[in-house]
This record gives sequence, C-alpha cells and structure tokens, in this order.
Amino acid sequence: DGGITQSPKYLFRKEGQNVTLSCEQNLNHDAMYWYRQDPGQGLRLIYYSQIVNDFQKGDIAEGYSVSREKKESFPLTVTSAQKNPTAFYLCASSIQWAGLAGNNEQFFGPGTRLTVL
Amino acid sequence: GEDVEQSLFLSVREGDSSVINCTYTDSSSTYLYWYKQEPGAGLQLLTYIFSNMDMKQDQRLTVLLNKKDKHLSLRIADTQTGDSAIYFCAESLDSNYQLIWGAGTKLIIKP
Repeated sequence: DGGITQSPKYLFRKEGQNVTLSCEQNLNHDAMYWYRQDPGQGLRLIYYSQIVNDFQKGDIAEGYSVSREKKESFPLTVTSAQKNPTAFYLCASSIQWAGLAGNNEQFFGPGTRLTVL
Repeated sequence: GEDVEQSLFLSVREGDSSVINCTYTDSSSTYLYWYKQEPGAGLQLLTYIFSNMDMKQDQRLTVLLNKKDKHLSLRIADTQTGDSAIYFCAESLDSNYQLIWGAGTKLIIKP
C-alpha cells in the first residue's frame, strides 16, 4: 500500500527541548510539505521541499528546521526557539510540478499532535 | 496576495443537503480542491475540479465553480452523521505547485 506515515501520533515535550517529527512516504513523490494546524484555523505552511537536498521556508518557518536527505523522508525538528509549539502537525506530499495541466493534489499523513508541558 | 475564504461553521439536519461555500482571489487558479478532515486525522481529498469546468458530480458530491465570481461550492446530498468533519477548500496556482488553503468549514449534523 502506498501512503504517508507520520510518527509518533502523540508527542510530549518539555520546554527547552528539541523534538523531531518523522514523515515517510512511499508514493515516489518529489515534493513534500509540513503544515501546522491550530484549533479553528486552517493549515499554515512551515517548510516544503521540491526535491532531495533542497527545501524552502514556508509562511511560519521560525523555530523549525527540516532536512531532505532521502526522497521518501522529510523530518521536522521543532526547536526550543519555537515559542508556541503545541499544535497538530501534518505532513503531505505531491508529484512535483506537473505543469499547467497538472494536478497538484497533496496526500496527507495522519498527523502528529505535539504538546509542550 | 492569494486568499481563500470559507465560513467557519455550517449546521444541517441529517438527510438534508449541505452546501459549503468558498471564495478565492487569484484568477490564475488551475485546480480547486475539496478536502475532508475527520477529528484527529489527516486530510483526505474528496474531489477536485479543473478551472475550465463549471460542474463536477461524484455520487453524493456536486462541485460548482463560478469562475467569474471566483466562487466554489461543495454540495453533499442526503447528509449523514459520517459527513461530520471539517471541509477545506484549496486552490492550485499555475505559478507553483503549492496549494492555497481556506481555514476550513466545520460541518455539524443535527439529528
């Protein structure tokens, strides 16, 4: 079965600690994304990656870091510099730029809920 | 800049039709999407429409696109309790492959 997995489902962090959220896909997609979702709000883009060894900041990148060493993996680190990290984090992937006639459908993982204690 | 707007809540009776509305600002949209999010889960694609179409039907779902008014709607016929979720509208621009997201509409089903 092809899809995206995220782990862990729930994560608790003490203030001042860095934590890393895992995202793996076996869809052979080039592009991957990290979103943050807060209650009553839509999705806000943290980072995205078009291709291996390349990534770009999204709208709310401060306090986060990513890496893209393998096509199938795009881990997100929430650093101690992120002032309010408690949120639901969603990872997604899509076929890379499909051209003007292309469908940029994004496929989502099940999410990780991060709580800072 | 690009913007996608949706109402935050919609309440309907079980068995009635639900109509969830979305407006967008960028006329260079290529595809428009409807995603569903159940509590505590990721997003699932429900349906999408290409910008040169004005209607798409898929079983209980009907998508209407008014490109002149930049208005997209999702109609769910015979709404069931299992349709209770947050519905997100998103647009894809021809300038890049990112999606621009609405804030989501929470659909509440009354018995």
